[in-house]
Amino acid sequence: QVQLQESGPGLVKPSQTLSLICTVSGGSISSGGYYWSWIRQHPGKGLEWIGNIYYSGSTYYNPSLKSRVTISVDTSKNQFSLKLSSVTAADTAVYYCARDLRGQSGYRTSHFDYWGQGTLVTVSS
Amino acid sequence: DIQMTQSPSSLSASVGDRVTITCQASQDISNYLNWYQQKPGKAPKVLIYDASNLETGVPSRFSGSGSGTDFSFTISSLQPEDIATYYCQQYDYLFTFGPGTKVDIK
Repeated sequence: QVQLQESGPGLVKPSQTLSLICTVSGGSISSGGYYWSWIRQHPGKGLEWIGNIYYSGSTYYNPSLKSRVTISVDTSKNQFSLKLSSVTAADTAVYYCARDLRGQSGYRTSHFDYWGQGTLVTVSS
Repeated sequence: DIQMTQSPSSLSASVGDRVTITCQASQDISNYLNWYQQKPGKAPKVLIYDASNLETGVPSRFSGSGSGTDFSFTISSLQPEDIATYYCQQYDYLFTFGPGTKVDIK
């Protein structure tokens, strides 16, 4: 059974960099056929996709956050990470990591089939 | 950017009722649409992928249909455990979620 677990500080000061790690267990992050995403949810609001990474290091980012986001992968630790720079109170949210299942043999499909439990990050001085 | 809208934003129905939620994309996304259920304090869970495919282990009272720009999600017989917020999500270009529909028991 695949499990994802977010970890990192729950409190970040304004203008600093938010850093989170997602540890994957029960499966290898280097397995083909999956992208690994970060998704956030502002308190009481909807879901916002932040970006994703393939085990090779290829990344895609939400254009609205692209200038501040870096996602990286460490296959030796079976982890991927999120860095969001120059945070403000508007970045206060629950941050989720999730596995994005893709199709094989040219069949196009994609959905987030496994999620972490989420971690609340508050931006405040 | 592809924008997603959902209606209604909330609904209240009785146990056993048929419930339908609609989702509209701002441009043609073929069938590149998923539906998720989120219960309070929990991560979302995929119910329907590729507009109409039921995720393994999900009860058959959940179903989805549509293609292009207009999609629908149906619970054929609402159960107390279905109380949640439901989101559509497109993956035609990057990923965008709809604003959600909160489902309650009357």
